[in-house]
Amino acid sequence: AQSVTQLGSHVSVSEGALVLLRCNYSSSVPPYLFWYVQYPNQGLQLLLKYTSAATLVKGINGFEAEFKKSETSFHLTKPSAHMSDAAEYFCAVLLTGGGNKLTFGTGTQLKVEL
Amino acid sequence: DGGITQSPKYLFRKEGQNVTLSCEQNLNHDAMYWYRQDPGQGLRLIYYSQIVNDFQKGDIAEGYSVSREKKESFPLTVTSAQKNPTAFYLCASSTSGFSYNEQFFGPGTRLTVL
Repeated sequence: AQSVTQLGSHVSVSEGALVLLRCNYSSSVPPYLFWYVQYPNQGLQLLLKYTSAATLVKGINGFEAEFKKSETSFHLTKPSAHMSDAAEYFCAVLLTGGGNKLTFGTGTQLKVEL
Repeated sequence: DGGITQSPKYLFRKEGQNVTLSCEQNLNHDAMYWYRQDPGQGLRLIYYSQIVNDFQKGDIAEGYSVSREKKESFPLTVTSAQKNPTAFYLCASSTSGFSYNEQFFGPGTRLTVL
């Protein structure tokens, strides 16, 4: 079964500091991986996705993620945090074999401090 | 503007009552999904539909029912059999056929059982 684990339910950074949100996956086949962002009381918005084309994936709002097969990781980074980045971030893996079903991690709440 | 709408945004229900959450999309997507979100648990799939007049159970379908009579609509009914229905409900849609298509999310409905 495919799954994702997000390490750290809460992460706090200073404005201008590096953002690093961790995601490890478990999959018996090459996975498709996604990062979504959710602002309070809103739906989810796709930040970026990995579909086996390039291991370094660039997304919106200056975020990027690197797929590392050897580490089974897909960590999300941003060089310089902005106050507007404060939100909850979800890593997700696609369940292949039909249904286009996503399995989500439990989320990481990012706090950005002045 | 293309997108997904969910209504109502907030919904209150008395115990023992059924309630229906609306989800409409004008993206011409074949596939639609319902997720439940609880704090610290990420998103869990309730039901999904890949085509009109067909739907499948997700991971937590008990106490819920759906219909897919039209391509653009996928209403979710929370029945009295759902023991803990208070949660944030998210609807999503995607194109089907290829397994790595992005899911687009609606703004959500927050259901509270009084």
